[in-house]
Amino acid sequence: QSALTQPASVSGSPGQSITISCTGTSRDVGGYNYVSWYQQYPGKAPQLLIYDVTKRPSGVSSRFSGSKSGNTASLTISGLQAEDQADYYCSSYCNSCPSSSSLLFGGGTKLTVL
Amino acid sequence: EVQLVESGGGLVQPGRSLRLSCVASGFTFQHYAMHWVRQAPGKGLEWVSSITWSSGSTSYAGSVQGRFIISRDNAKNSLYLQMSSLRAEDTALYYCAKDKVGGFGFAFDVWGPGTMVTVSS
Repeated sequence: QSALTQPASVSGSPGQSITISCTGTSRDVGGYNYVSWYQQYPGKAPQLLIYDVTKRPSGVSSRFSGSKSGNTASLTISGLQAEDQADYYCSSYCNSCPSSSSLLFGGGTKLTVL
Repeated sequence: EVQLVESGGGLVQPGRSLRLSCVASGFTFQHYAMHWVRQAPGKGLEWVSSITWSSGSTSYAGSVQGRFIISRDNAKNSLYLQMSSLRAEDTALYYCAKDKVGGFGFAFDVWGPGTMVTVSS
């Protein structure tokens, strides 16, 4: 069981918007703005989509956006495209985590574009 | 081109040691914190260890604390992970990743292709 909780799968049709949630605790997601999101295609290394909750690295499409409310962070993909079909992972800094880990990942969400 | 390339993976028996390397190019390596992240076959990402730009601070996941040691050589643009007392559950693809900042920002903006470590007798 991952420390950050993500839905195992989400789906949407081209052009729609989808949101992937990432739920933690006040020790991680809720307590700090060090939440990142990554996209991973099968057999490839992850790519950074969002960092510090809402910031987008240069080169990342504006269709990707991040937000946070309480202990839950969210990734929203608008104008869904076939190329968005991939696995998505959230991560967060964690202070005084029971696992002694400074960084936690979510279990990952598989996005299917219908 | 900004690039990270890992090496040193392979098949190793339980209890033995292995040293992973990661060579960086295309950016000023000494300015950034670096990390190791692993992914077991068919599973999600797991953070392993981190080191600041100056090696002044390191951090480890509880699952590898006391068994793995992260280090870097800024003169050689290289990051290392010395792994000892390896267990079957350490079997994974190990990624080297660059932080966006010199300290622990924990935003990994460059990743290598990974090197596979298989622990089995």
